[in-house]
Amino acid sequence: NAGVTQTPKFQVLKTGQSMTLQCAQDMNHNSMYWYRQDPGMGLRLIYYSASEGTTDKGEVPNGYNVSRLNKREFSLRLESAAPSQTSVYFCASRERFNEKLFFGSGTQLSVL
Amino acid sequence: QQQVKQSPQSLIVQKGGISIINCAYENTAFDYFPWYQQFPGKGPALLIAIRPDVSEKKEGRFTISFNKSAKQFSLHIMDSQPGDSATYFCAASMRGSQGNLIFGKGTKLSVKP
Repeated sequence: NAGVTQTPKFQVLKTGQSMTLQCAQDMNHNSMYWYRQDPGMGLRLIYYSASEGTTDKGEVPNGYNVSRLNKREFSLRLESAAPSQTSVYFCASRERFNEKLFFGSGTQLSVL
Repeated sequence: QQQVKQSPQSLIVQKGGISIINCAYENTAFDYFPWYQQFPGKGPALLIAIRPDVSEKKEGRFTISFNKSAKQFSLHIMDSQPGDSATYFCAASMRGSQGNLIFGKGTKLSVKP
């Protein structure tokens, strides 16, 4: 099992460009999450999907959109990237009735 | 009220020593308190977790101490090793929150040989 797989691992964008971060899990988990990690800020929840077909905003959703494509895949889209979105993005998943989050290895995004 | 405050921001400990990281919260609806460990270039991984019905949980060299009345919990790493050097995050969530964790800002631990 690969667990939670994120692509790409690194990305550099220019201000105003768009891109989609991909996340897939092979653990048959119901819930999936997108967090961003900034120095000295910890991890902050952007969006989550409690189950296939549902998505909800987290603490910092502005500037992002998400799609729960199926049970395995949960993508994060930046429509018009801004320098403030320079961060490391982590996808995570969780099975029902279990609090443990499984994280991917992250995508390091720089917006110039 | 949703915050989880973590201290210290960084910590240097000698090999064999005890590492202690503290967290405090305000929201009494929180009922799950995990600690995550993160190595450079990797995602966080669950280390140990506790619920407020117990005051202490131990797994190997790692212990969580929980003080419900003070709304504080701490991670103790006994016999700290260089391989424990990582960033540690405390977190909290409440029942019915769909597993949404509120994370502290992290503590970078360095264990010197």
